[in-house]
Amino acid sequence: AQSVTQLDSHVSVSEGTPVLLRCNYSSSYSPSLFWYVQHPNKGLQLLLKYTSAATLVKGINGFEAEFKKSETSFHLTKPSAHMSDAAEYFCVVSDGTGRRALTFGSGTRLQVQP
Amino acid sequence: DGGITQSPKYLFRKEGQNVTLSCEQNLNHDAMYWYRQDPGQGLRLIYYSQIVNDFQKGDIAEGYSVSREKKESFPLTVTSAQKNPTAFYLCASSQRLVGTSSSYEQYFGPGTRLTVT
Repeated sequence: AQSVTQLDSHVSVSEGTPVLLRCNYSSSYSPSLFWYVQHPNKGLQLLLKYTSAATLVKGINGFEAEFKKSETSFHLTKPSAHMSDAAEYFCVVSDGTGRRALTFGSGTRLQVQP
Repeated sequence: DGGITQSPKYLFRKEGQNVTLSCEQNLNHDAMYWYRQDPGQGLRLIYYSQIVNDFQKGDIAEGYSVSREKKESFPLTVTSAQKNPTAFYLCASSQRLVGTSSSYEQYFGPGTRLTVT
């Protein structure tokens, strides 16, 4: 079985300060991991993905994430928050069983204060 | 311009009526998915289809039905048996799950917000 835990339901930062959104996963297989972003009343957009290549993954809009197998973590970071980063972020795991592709975390709402 | 379209964006229905949500993709993807999203929760899988004329139940299939007669289309029917149908529904597609490889990312449509009163 696979699962994802997003450790913070809400994160608030000031514009220009770093962003850290935390994600821990559990998987019986070598997982693929994703971060998606959702703006209000919109579909989800892929930010980045890890698929067993480099452990530090760079995504769109300046986001990156580091896969740490020993800690079963895949935290999302950005050096400097922008107002447009305010959205809901989902950490997602795929464990390669072939039966069902993705398991979603419950989401982290990022607020960016001016 | 490739992508996934869902229509309509907002849908209102009376309790007891069936309603069908549309999902079309022109990405040439074999696999398609339906998710339900409720406030403060992640996405929950309703149904998925890896190939035309085949589909499988997800975690919360009760009260829903699907069909997959064409590669590009995967409509979802919310039946009167669904106890709490008001939600945001998202359709997604991906390359086919081949063997045990499922690292393909899913591409999402803009969603349909269904309100049943």
